[in-house]
Amino acid sequence: GESVGLHLPTLSVQEGDNSIINCAYSNSASDYFIWYKQESGKGPQFIIDIRSNMDKRQGQRVTVLLNKTVKHLSLQIAATQPGDSAVYFCAEKSYSGAGSYQLTFGKGTKLSVIP
Amino acid sequence: DTAVSQTPKYLVTQMGNDKSIKCEQNLGHDTMYWYKQDSKKFLKIMFSYNNKELIINETVPNRFSPKSPDKAHLNLHINSLELGDSAVYFCASSRTINTEAFFGQGTRLTVV
Repeated sequence: GESVGLHLPTLSVQEGDNSIINCAYSNSASDYFIWYKQESGKGPQFIIDIRSNMDKRQGQRVTVLLNKTVKHLSLQIAATQPGDSAVYFCAEKSYSGAGSYQLTFGKGTKLSVIP
Repeated sequence: DTAVSQTPKYLVTQMGNDKSIKCEQNLGHDTMYWYKQDSKKFLKIMFSYNNKELIINETVPNRFSPKSPDKAHLNLHINSLELGDSAVYFCASSRTINTEAFFGQGTRLTVV
């Protein structure tokens, strides 16, 4: 589940189960959303993206759902594996004026997979 | 054949020093970024360059100065380092300003 405050939200999942990571975004004008995975000691790695004209997009073992009404994004990982253990970030891209866009990251959720 | 590479990976330095972090991308991307990640893993954009031109300059102390000698490079110079500058700094690039960003492996800066 999620919590606010100083600690990184953590989700613990049994290997083989499905994982759902949630994200609330702030800017209703954002038109592009990305999920990143960050393993320990590495940079964020692109997983999947979705544009605001869609509400669902599927990749290999991952699905992103977008609910623009409540400004909510989720990442579903099927058959979670130990290698999925990482911190997951949602990011929203919104127009920031003068022809430029800004990628704003959410707080991140730490996914721990229990073997 | 690393796509976005930044050096050094680790940097330990004393307060008051001046240091630089280098970043290069070999993806042919037009846009490059610097992000700062704090101890709570929060990622915040610092600067964005598109075709060597500064397009985003967030509220960052002017001790931080980015330099883009060409589209493939975006270096970050930091003057008069302070303890609070300790963080992991990530360089990233994207094909255009409206596509996904690819990140380097980060530079862990520790100011003592």
